[in-house]
Parts: sequence; structure tokens; C-alpha cells
Amino acid sequence: TQLLEQSPQFLSIQEGENLTVYCNSSSVFSSLQWYRQEPGEGPVLLVTVVTGGEVKKLKRLTFQFGDARKDSSLHITAAQPGDTGLYLCAGSYTGNQFYFGTGTSLTVIP
Amino acid sequence: DTAVSQTPKYLVTQMGNDKSIKCEQNLGHDTMYWYKQDSKKFLKIMFSYNNKELIINETVPNRFSPKSPDKAHLNLHINSLELGDSAVYFCASLSGLELFFGPGTRLTVL
Repeated sequence: TQLLEQSPQFLSIQEGENLTVYCNSSSVFSSLQWYRQEPGEGPVLLVTVVTGGEVKKLKRLTFQFGDARKDSSLHITAAQPGDTGLYLCAGSYTGNQFYFGTGTSLTVIP
Repeated sequence: DTAVSQTPKYLVTQMGNDKSIKCEQNLGHDTMYWYKQDSKKFLKIMFSYNNKELIINETVPNRFSPKSPDKAHLNLHINSLELGDSAVYFCASLSGLELFFGPGTRLTVL
């Protein structure tokens, strides 16, 4: 059993559609992050959330930290082919050890 | 300018061999990590060093030995390679709550 479970594991959608990716845990985290990884590269940070209930927006991406700081969601509006990639959530208790989620592989079809 | 670099990018070797992966960061960060990403894209922390000192050592076989000659470098030596060691190994450094990943080293054990 992984500490952070993401759903769905795979997602294939048409350009222009909306989608939501979920990251769930039974543990309480002091912070939670979302990364995007493209093939052949390392993950790149998209956002960090630290307060329960916090909502952050990054252009067409909206991130929410659950009130109890156990879960998070990533919503993408009007997906574009450039959004294609592996989305990873990561939780931290201490600020120096990060546990990654199981990953969501997104494909946006033009 | 490359922030976190790893060599080699690809490593193909026979079972039983010993190999090393090198990592360097020019960001001035104090904390560095080794992560292993398996075939299902799950990223698992292996080790963390802070200013040349080992601070995190997850349940990793003794065949894996990290070494940090200075705070800009973190190398990983693997003895007696096994088929199950095949994976992509990522080095990362930490600034605040953000991990900066290298491009990864794809290790294939035959």
C-alpha cells in the first residue's frame, strides 16, 4: 500500500476538455506538492500548498489542499497537448523528506 | 547552465557488476537526494544528504552506497547489480520545499 494514492492512474482526453486528478492519503502532511514529469526528464515543481483548504491557481491549473491536509486535487481547464505528462503529488511531514504519489499519466489528444 | 546534472544518462550492464552514478548541482543547495523510479513510474526516496552528512537512509540494500565528497556532489555506487535494480535513478537537490531533479540515469541490468 502506497502512502499517497493518485487517481486516475491513466487519463486520455481530447484537447479542450476539463479534468481532475486526485491525490489521497490517510496521513496528515505539513505540505503537499504537485510535480509534472515529461518523458526522459526529471519532475518539475508546479505548486506547493501548506494550509488546509488552500487553493492555488497557475494559469489553467487549479490546486486544492484538503481541509484536513490529507488529500489534494489538481484541476485542469481546457486541456492542451502541452499538458501531456506524468503528474505526481508529493507529501512531506518534516520539510526534508518527500513521499511521492503513484502518479497520473495524462495524454491530451489534439 | 545545468542546475542538477547526472552521468551517465544510460547505463547497461550485466548482473553481478559494480557501477557508479554521479550527480552534481550548481545551485548551492545543502540537501541532496537519490530517488529510484520503477517501471510503474513510482518515485521512491533512497537517501538524503545534508552538507555531506547522511540524514535519510530508507530501507535500501547494503549493495547501494551513497557518497558525498562535498555538498555539490552526491554519487551512488551499486555493488553486485541485480535484475531488480533496473530503474531510472534521479538525483535531486532541495531549496525550501522545492526539489530540483536531474535528468535521470536509466540503469538496465541484463
